[in-house]
Amino acid sequence: EDKVVQSPLSLVVHEGDTVTLNCSYEVTNFRSLLWYKQEKKAPTFLFMLTSSGIEKKSGRLSSILDKKELFSILNITATQTGDSAVYLCAVKVKTGANNLFFGTGTRLTVIP
Amino acid sequence: DGGITQSPKYLFRKEGQNVTLSCEQNLNHDAMYWYRQDPGQGLRLIYYSQIVNDFQKGDIAEGYSVSREKKESFPLTVTSAQKNPTAFYLCASSMPGQGSGELFFGEGSRLTVL
Repeated sequence: EDKVVQSPLSLVVHEGDTVTLNCSYEVTNFRSLLWYKQEKKAPTFLFMLTSSGIEKKSGRLSSILDKKELFSILNITATQTGDSAVYLCAVKVKTGANNLFFGTGTRLTVIP
Repeated sequence: DGGITQSPKYLFRKEGQNVTLSCEQNLNHDAMYWYRQDPGQGLRLIYYSQIVNDFQKGDIAEGYSVSREKKESFPLTVTSAQKNPTAFYLCASSMPGQGSGELFFGEGSRLTVL
């Protein structure tokens, strides 16, 4: 059974801290891994990763994929209160029409 | 601007009543999806549609129904057969084969059964 596991489930940090969110997966026919940020309602797309070892970066956020060990991390440096959100990891597989599997999400709270 | 519109944002219903959640997109996407989000759980797929007049059950379709009569619209009906309908419902769309194929989400509809 395909599954995506995120850790930790929740995290509270102070502004300025650096955080690392984890996503591990067990799927057949892996195609890509996606990260989303969900602040209040609609998840918004952050990154898509398909190749191992290539870091994707956007401002203070960065992410990398390890296809050998089957995990990805999302790093946020110099956190701000606006980073408070649920971060969702999803894995897309190559086969089947229903081909996107979500993790439970990590709830990040950044306190001033 | 292009996007996905869900309505209503909040909805209350009594047990035993059916309720329909609306989802409209003007992104010209072929595929549309309905997810359910509960605290402590990931997004779970209810139904999806890859083309007009066609749809498939997702992982938790029991107690729900959908239709796809137009490309832009994919309404979800929560029937009285759904045993635990209180949840946050997200509609999404995508264009398979283009770009990263990521999902674009609506703002969600929060359903509370009294």
